[in-house]
Parts: sequence; structure tokens; C-alpha cells
Amino acid sequence: GQSLEQPSEVTAVEGAIVQINCTYQTSGFYGLSWYQQHDGGAPTFLSYNALDGLEETGRFSSFLSRSDSYGYLLLQELQMKDSASYFCASGGGYSTLTFGKGTMLLVSP
Amino acid sequence: NAGVTQTPKFRVLKTGQSMTLLCAQDMNHEYMYWYRQDPGMGLRLIHYSVGEGTTAKGEVPDGYNVSRLKKQNFLLGLESAAPSQTSVYFCASSYSTYRRPSYEQYFGPGTRLTVT
Repeated sequence: GQSLEQPSEVTAVEGAIVQINCTYQTSGFYGLSWYQQHDGGAPTFLSYNALDGLEETGRFSSFLSRSDSYGYLLLQELQMKDSASYFCASGGGYSTLTFGKGTMLLVSP
Repeated sequence: NAGVTQTPKFRVLKTGQSMTLLCAQDMNHEYMYWYRQDPGMGLRLIHYSVGEGTTAKGEVPDGYNVSRLKKQNFLLGLESAAPSQTSVYFCASSYSTYRRPSYEQYFGPGTRLTVT
């Protein structure tokens, strides 16, 4: 089986940097994905780390350490529109995903 | 391109009734997935398909059946609805293939189902 742990809620102010951590216990782990979901709408893909290290995509970066079973999503220059839920998800066979319970990010002015 | 679409958007069922949720994608993706999302539980995989005519069980398959008769469509059926199946159902697709796996999934807008 697979399980992922992430904080339930994180708060930050506009312009700040925030890090959302994710630890996992999985068998058959292929990599770690991150998804964003606004107000219960369709989740959207942010990033995927198959290998250890940092992946950067604009204001968002994602990190993976397989030896520590740990990853994080880093959001820089926070904007109000970044208020959403963020899910880490472990990749398994047949490109399936097991999702964490999600972290609600609240960005205040 | 419409991407991934789901029908219906909302539905209320009585216990014991049956229904089918339709997912359609116009991206020629091989892999498709059905998830349910409950408050505080994240998304959980119900069933998935790696190509036309194939289906497989996910994490929470009990009480659901699926069919993939056409590549672009993935149907989720509830034969006898129960209140525990009240949830938001999301369909997703991926351009993943056996030789080139991908963990980028494209999600539909969801179907909000209430079973009374």
C-alpha cells in the first residue's frame, strides 16, 4: 500500500515564499507529482519528480529525496490566486497516482 | 479541444437506484482514470483503463463498474447506489503509454453525486 502525509493547512502573505512538505511510505514508487485544485474544481498538474533533486517551473519548484521518502513544493512570490489546495501524489504502476489528503494554502494580502 | 468532459455535472439519487457517469476525452489519450473525492480524503482511485477494451481495479473499486468500449470514453456505473457513495467523482486521462509512462493527468470538471 501507499500513504502520503502533508500538512492540512498553510498560511502565508502575498509576495512571500511557502514550502509544502510531503512524506510518503510506498511500495513500487516511481516518482512524486504535485497538483493544484481551486475550490473543488478540476485538479491541475504542476510538476513531477522522478529523480532526486529540484525541478523549477516558473514560480513553482518541486524537490524529491528518495532516500528520505520526502518531497516538497516551493511557491515563490505568492499571489492571491495561489490560494488553493495542493496535493502530492506518488506514481505507481500503469501511471496510477495515490494522492495525499491535500494542503489548503491561504494567501492573505 | 474540449479536453476532458464529464456528464452529468450534478445528480441526486435515491438509495438502490443505478446510474452511469460518462467521461469523454478528445486528446487521443490511451490511459483513463476514475477517482472519488471526499472531504478531507483527497482523491482515491476507483478504476482505470490502459486502453480501449481494458479496465482494472484501483484503490476503492467496490460498488462500481466501468467500461471502455471506445478509446475516447470511460463509463463509471453504480448498480445500486448507497449513501456512502455520495462524493465528487473526477475522471482523468493521460498520454502515458507502456513505453513512455507519464504522471501528468488531465482532469474533468467533476460530477457531484448525492445519494439519499
